[in-house]
Amino acid sequence: ETGVTQTPRHLVMGMTNKKSLKCEQHLGHNAMYWYKQSAKKPLELMFVYNFKEQTENNSVPSRFSPECPNSSHLFLHLHTLQPEDSALYLCASSHPSGGSRTGELFFGEGSRLTVL
Amino acid sequence: QKEVEQNSGPLSVPEGAIASLNCTYSDRVSQSFFWYRQYSGKSPELIMSIYSNGDKEDGRFTAQLNKASQYVSLLIRDSQPSDSATYLCAVKDTDKLIFGTGTRLQVFP
Repeated sequence: ETGVTQTPRHLVMGMTNKKSLKCEQHLGHNAMYWYKQSAKKPLELMFVYNFKEQTENNSVPSRFSPECPNSSHLFLHLHTLQPEDSALYLCASSHPSGGSRTGELFFGEGSRLTVL
Repeated sequence: QKEVEQNSGPLSVPEGAIASLNCTYSDRVSQSFFWYRQYSGKSPELIMSIYSNGDKEDGRFTAQLNKASQYVSLLIRDSQPSDSATYLCAVKDTDKLIFGTGTRLQVFP
């Protein structure tokens, strides 16, 4: 099993669909993150969870809804998305954010989302 | 708005040369700095971290930090075609990272 696994790798959805992205980490970390990566833009932090508690919501629209049932699993529920939400969504994990090892992120391979 | 600036490139260097990648940041109090490598179609991978002024070496990679100038760089010695990738600079802001847009490096044989 690889360190951080994301499914699906590719997703095409219409603006009225509801879908979910899944992330699972096998590294024993306690912090998990969702990032959005769009062409020619910096990686954009969306959500942070430490020990299953959300500690950061970076002004993300409510059409993105995260869920963290335990320290190993993270979901991103998607509904009523817009074409501009098309991007690569990256999950990452680390030791607890705010600690000395914040910044040492392990990324999954990403979920490429296309909104039609 | 705290920012991390990088030249988007591409930076083209011949095989065996030294590639120099640069990054500036706006937050004077930042203490932790990171370089990630991202191959095309892949996710970012941490390759270097640096916390103190000066140089930190790891194999062919050297990270350099100058906090007074708010400048961090990554040197890649003996560049190989396999080093061709986008290099992301990241700066720690309290409990999260702020990333630059990345510099694309091309190493040609």
